Amino acid sequence: DGGITQSPKYLFRKEGQNVTLSCEQNLNHDAMYWYRQDPGQGLRLIYYSQIVNDFQKGDIAEGYSVSREKKESFPLTVTSAQKNPTAFYLCASSIKPWGNTGELFFGEGSRLTVL
Amino acid sequence: DAKTTQPNSMESNEEEPVHLPCNHSTISGTDYIHWYRQLPSQGPEYVIHGLTSNVNNRMASLAIAEDRKSSTLILHRATLRDAAVYYCILRDVGTSGSRLTFGEGTQLTVNP
Repeated sequence: DGGITQSPKYLFRKEGQNVTLSCEQNLNHDAMYWYRQDPGQGLRLIYYSQIVNDFQKGDIAEGYSVSREKKESFPLTVTSAQKNPTAFYLCASSIKPWGNTGELFFGEGSRLTVL
Repeated sequence: DAKTTQPNSMESNEEEPVHLPCNHSTISGTDYIHWYRQLPSQGPEYVIHGLTSNVNNRMASLAIAEDRKSSTLILHRATLRDAAVYYCILRDVGTSGSRLTFGEGTQLTVNP
């Protein structure tokens, strides 16, 4: 079945360590997105990519980095510069990067806890 | 970016209709209205979207005001599985592409 796969589902890390969250989609979608969600809050956009080898900062990009070397993959690195990284991270994709139509498809999320 | 305003929470009884309101007074002429819902510890799920006319699908109906400054998501017969956070968002098309900005949504509780 087509969909978005995020891994790992749960991740623990010590302060000062970088960690990379994986996001893979087999929907042949052009656009991919990373969101962060804190308890009881809505989603905030970290980075998004409209096409391979291109990506833009969202609203809270500081302390994060991404790459888009392949259409199906959009990994997110949470660096040691991110001051409060404990959160639920969601990856999404959509068939169209531009235009007003097109729904987002979300993965199941990765829950990162910094010890 | 155009913003949306939703009530923090709403309650409904099972088998009854639910009307979830959303205000978007600064909507632009080309913004689509999208609705998603999220169950605990899961990614959001697409529900419905529209531009000007009312829309129906197997999950819900979307009623859009004539001036487009507000909309209502209608669940015709609420079930316990409909208990979730519902997000009303506007599709923002910037010069560098398109993205969706989520607010805090409405927590819907469905009573048996």
